Amino acid sequence: EPEVTQTPSHQVTQMGQEVILRCVPISNHLYFYWYRQILGQKVEFLVSFYNNEISEKSEIFDDQFSVERPDGSNFTLKIRSTKLEDSAMYFCASSGSVRPGGTDTQYFGPGTRLTVL
Amino acid sequence: ILNVEQSPQSLHVQEGDSTNFTCSFPSSNFYALHWYRWETAKSPEALFVMTLNGDEKKKGRISATLNTKEGYSYLYIKGSQPEDSATYLCASPELGANNLFFGTGTRLTVIP
Repeated sequence: EPEVTQTPSHQVTQMGQEVILRCVPISNHLYFYWYRQILGQKVEFLVSFYNNEISEKSEIFDDQFSVERPDGSNFTLKIRSTKLEDSAMYFCASSGSVRPGGTDTQYFGPGTRLTVL
Repeated sequence: ILNVEQSPQSLHVQEGDSTNFTCSFPSSNFYALHWYRWETAKSPEALFVMTLNGDEKKKGRISATLNTKEGYSYLYIKGSQPEDSATYLCASPELGANNLFFGTGTRLTVIP
């Protein structure tokens, strides 16, 4: 069964460093998402991406964050200058619909645990 | 921002017992309700997407109901097994959007 994959599973970085989290969505999917979960808190939406541009973003997704689909398979989240409060589990997800709709199943990857020291 | 809540936060049941837990969400401008099952170190697994008031969905021993007028959904597990131990998450998007707002989850432990 197709699945969303994410690398690395765990990333440790120093405050102020740039990190890139990588995701391979399900191959025929059209919508891509990033969410995060800070330990002990709810899973939070960061951004959705469709047709090579950001579709929606939350207040968390400020100028320090960017997303890219550099080729036909990868979807990346870049944090330019990490802060301590960026430590979280970051989840990638994808859905297959041809148009926006919160009724479509979003398939999640296993997450990347980011630790900022 | 949608306020999605789940209760209880955690639950311990004996193997073979049936159980249920609740997800509550704003009933105004309701769009959809998603249920996920999340085992530690694995991907959250999609269980159901529900949209219509009165919807009931079933997947094996797991079923869910939806009441959009009062803003709640129940997830039921019949005859719990140790492999059902996981965190069960519900989420709802803003009207017309894809962004899911999650509850805190219900952590289920099934004791053999």
